[in-house]
Amino acid sequence: KQEVTQIPAALSVPEGENLVLNCSFTDSAIYNLQWFRQDPGKGLTSLLLIQSSQREQTSGRLNASLDKSSGRSTLYIAASQPGDSATYLCAVRTGGGADGLTFGKGTHLIIQP
Amino acid sequence: SQTIHQWPATLVQPVGSPLSLECTVEGTSNPNLYWYRQAAGRGLQLLFYSVGIGQISSEVPQNLSASRPQDRQFILSSKKLLLSDSGFYLCAWSVYGGWSEQYFGPGTRLTVT
Repeated sequence: KQEVTQIPAALSVPEGENLVLNCSFTDSAIYNLQWFRQDPGKGLTSLLLIQSSQREQTSGRLNASLDKSSGRSTLYIAASQPGDSATYLCAVRTGGGADGLTFGKGTHLIIQP
Repeated sequence: SQTIHQWPATLVQPVGSPLSLECTVEGTSNPNLYWYRQAAGRGLQLLFYSVGIGQISSEVPQNLSASRPQDRQFILSSKKLLLSDSGFYLCAWSVYGGWSEQYFGPGTRLTVT
C-alpha cells in the first residue's frame, strides 16, 4: 500500500527566503506526482505535475523535482512572499487508468511579512 | 475551459439524517470523476471514482455511496449519517490515463451533529 509522508509538518519563515518542502513515498512504481496548494477552507489548486519519466518541473518561483527510484520529491519556493502562506500537499498516482491519488498530510507554511 | 462545481458549500446535518452532495463538471466530456474526504488531522482519502455513467468503484467500505447519473455529474450519498462522516468533501476530475492531472472543486464542509 502506497504511503506518502511530508516533512516538515509546519514551517514558518520570514519573507524573501528560499525554502524546500519534502515529500517521500514508499512505492516507487508511480505514474506521476502532483503538488497542490490549499488555502484554509478551500479546495486544492494544482501547482505542478511531474510525470514518472521526468526529473523536474518549473512554474514561476516554484520548482519541483522527482527522484522516483529513491521515492522522493522536493518543492522549492524561491523568494517567498506572504501570499505563499498555505498548506502544500504532495500526491502520487500509483495506478494507471482512472485510479486516484494518494496524499501526504501536507506542510503548513507561514511566510512572515 | 473546464470548471468543476460542488454544492452545497457547507452543510450541518444531525446524526441519522440522509446526505446528498453534488458535483458537476463543465467544458469536458467523459471525465474520470472522484470523491475524496479530508477529515480533521488526517490526509485526503479517496472514497470513490468513476470512469463512466453508472460505473462506480469504491476504495473504502463505509457509510457512503456514490452515483453517476449523467456524464458530468457525480453524487455522494448516505442514508444515515454518522458523526464520523464529518469532514471536507472534495470532488475532482481528470481525463483517462495514469499520466493525467487531477483538478479539484471548491469542496463541501459537512458537520454532523
